[in-house]
Amino acid sequence: EVQLLESGGDLVQPGGSLRLSCAASGFTFSSYAMSWVRQAPGKGLEWVSAITGSGGSTYSADSVKGRFTISRDNSKYTLYLQMNSLRAEDTAVYYCAKAIIGAVAANYGMDVWGQGTTVTVSS
Amino acid sequence: DIQMTQSPSTLSASVGDRVTITCRASQSISSWLAWYQQKSGKAPKLLIYKASSLESGVPSRFSGSRSGTEFTLTISSLQPDDFATYYCQRCNSYSWTFGQGTKVEI
Repeated sequence: EVQLLESGGDLVQPGGSLRLSCAASGFTFSSYAMSWVRQAPGKGLEWVSAITGSGGSTYSADSVKGRFTISRDNSKYTLYLQMNSLRAEDTAVYYCAKAIIGAVAANYGMDVWGQGTTVTVSS
Repeated sequence: DIQMTQSPSTLSASVGDRVTITCRASQSISSWLAWYQQKSGKAPKLLIYKASSLESGVPSRFSGSRSGTEFTLTISSLQPDDFATYYCQRCNSYSWTFGQGTKVEI
């Protein structure tokens, strides 16, 4: 069964750091681009970052550029999101998602999603 | 940056109705567009990819189409399980932006 399982969400103070993980199973992890998507309470979906199957290229939304870093360890079938300089507006449920193909320049969509992990930024 | 404008933001409908949701791109995105359904407290579910391809396991009452930079999600006969929020997403030019969402309610 194809599955994604996020972990690492927590309550953190403004300015703090957090690393999210997403464990993948049931598919050839290195063949597909992966992405992080977040949803603030009561709001819509916001794309955060994406990474190619090889991990050689990464792209992020302007709202997190310079603060968040997406990475992957294909040997461990795990996707990461390192979040630094956290702000109250980063409070959200963070989902990892598998893309349909391996590219980030253009893709068809995201066909597998995790259940989400909650990040709360508050003092 | 390519903007995606989704409409309407809320849609009231009844079981059996034909429902149409539109997403308009500010410039050409070819067919790099997907549609998702999200129910409260759950992860999104892919319905349509590549603008008009039906994801495996998704009922055939869902369909997607493209006319230039305008994309449409159609539910041919709304079922009780379809009351949810729907999002379009463009996946090109190194940015995978979502539309604002359409809540389909009774």
